[in-house]
Amino acid sequence: QVQLVESGGGVVQPGRSLRLSCTVSGFTFSDYAMHWVRQAPGKGLEWVAVISYDGSNKYYADSVKGRFTISRDNSENTLYLQMNSLRAEDTAVHYCARVSGMALGHWGQGTLVTVSS
Amino acid sequence: QSALTQPHSVSGSPGQSVTISCTGTTSDVGAYNHVSWYRQLPGKAPKLMIYDVNKRPSGVPDRFSGSKSGNTASLTISGLQAEDEADYYCCSYAGNYTYVFGTGTKVTV
Repeated sequence: QVQLVESGGGVVQPGRSLRLSCTVSGFTFSDYAMHWVRQAPGKGLEWVAVISYDGSNKYYADSVKGRFTISRDNSENTLYLQMNSLRAEDTAVHYCARVSGMALGHWGQGTLVTVSS
Repeated sequence: QSALTQPHSVSGSPGQSVTISCTGTTSDVGAYNHVSWYRQLPGKAPKLMIYDVNKRPSGVPDRFSGSKSGNTASLTISGLQAEDEADYYCCSYAGNYTYVFGTGTKVTV
């Protein structure tokens, strides 16, 4: 069955960097666009970024544009989110999600990023 | 990229129906028939319940239905059950591959 497993979260100081990974199985990774979505503690969902099936197109929320980079390695079935210049407001559970048509049909369990000094 | 507007909470008794609204703009909800709804239980990942305004993925009960009029989409849960108690989020495609989520609604049974 479809599985998505995020990793790489942790505690990081403001201004530092962190890279999240999302390893998938149960489907042909290179056939699907992928998203990152985050949720601050006690808050709602926020769409972060999307990457096309082949990595040629990438789009970001204004809140992370210029600081975050989404990428993928189709040979390793892995999605990445490189997060630079981290701020306190980036503290959140970060989810990767696979598209199903124009919706987010499958989600990972999330990985928590805490930005704190 | 402003969040879509949802009521903070709605409640109903078992067997009743509740409807959650999701108000956007002519750039998102009003522009595309790509509104989806997600249910999130505490500490869990969201689960897709409705896509493309009114389509249900396999396995989602037909008690869940969606609709849209203008810039507002709606999710209706009929025959409310205790297991429906959760947070619900709408989401709309907003063009240029971008998406926007709603503010979320807590459903209490």
